[in-house]
Amino acid sequence: AQKITQTQPGMFVQEKEAVTLDCTYDTSDQSYGLFWYKQPSSGEMIFLIYQGSYDEQNATEGRYSLNFQKARKSANLVISASQLGDSAMYFCAMREGDSGAGSYQLTFGKGTKLSVIP
Amino acid sequence: NAGVTQTPKFRILKIGQSMTLQCTQDMNHNYMYWYRQDPGMGLKLIYYSVGAGITDKGEVPNGYNVSRSTTEDFPLRLELAAPSQTSVYFCASSYREWDQPQHFGDGTRLSIL
Repeated sequence: AQKITQTQPGMFVQEKEAVTLDCTYDTSDQSYGLFWYKQPSSGEMIFLIYQGSYDEQNATEGRYSLNFQKARKSANLVISASQLGDSAMYFCAMREGDSGAGSYQLTFGKGTKLSVIP
Repeated sequence: NAGVTQTPKFRILKIGQSMTLQCTQDMNHNYMYWYRQDPGMGLKLIYYSVGAGITDKGEVPNGYNVSRSTTEDFPLRLELAAPSQTSVYFCASSYREWDQPQHFGDGTRLSIL
């Protein structure tokens, strides 16, 4: 089973509208972290937002927020007031375990390509 | 701020050739990582290091080697290039705390013909 599933290969959103990018995850660990990265057409990976499994509140960073539903194992990224510069690939990633357990890698989903329409 | 610097940005290799992808970071991060990204896919971990002199395999280590002689540098070596290694390679680094994000370099686009 895939650890990170992003079911939307591509999404379109009108400029200034909000959009939700889906991410579901699979882990048996109690401690884990969820990250979202943006990859523009230029190719670099840009960190957007982080949510820890024990965080009680949904993470927010400017126009980005994470809709974290632990029981459903979902960590959807919400982008408010979309801008043309938001057009990019978006990757959800998970880090399992805590530092003592020695888990270091990020497991990535296949990504969602977001296109913002003027 | 330089962050994570990868060289070269692009390279074409012939089958069987060898090369080293360079990665250096100036953030004094303990942890460093090498990922590969195949077309239309997410990133997969090749190798990682938790400090100078310490490295370990990730999900897809076959055909690669790494070393970590300093905190700053984490080169990735391809010994006998194969077409299956055509990919975009990303180096990343992070602080020790597991809730800290990984900071990525701009990537190296490698084609093996």
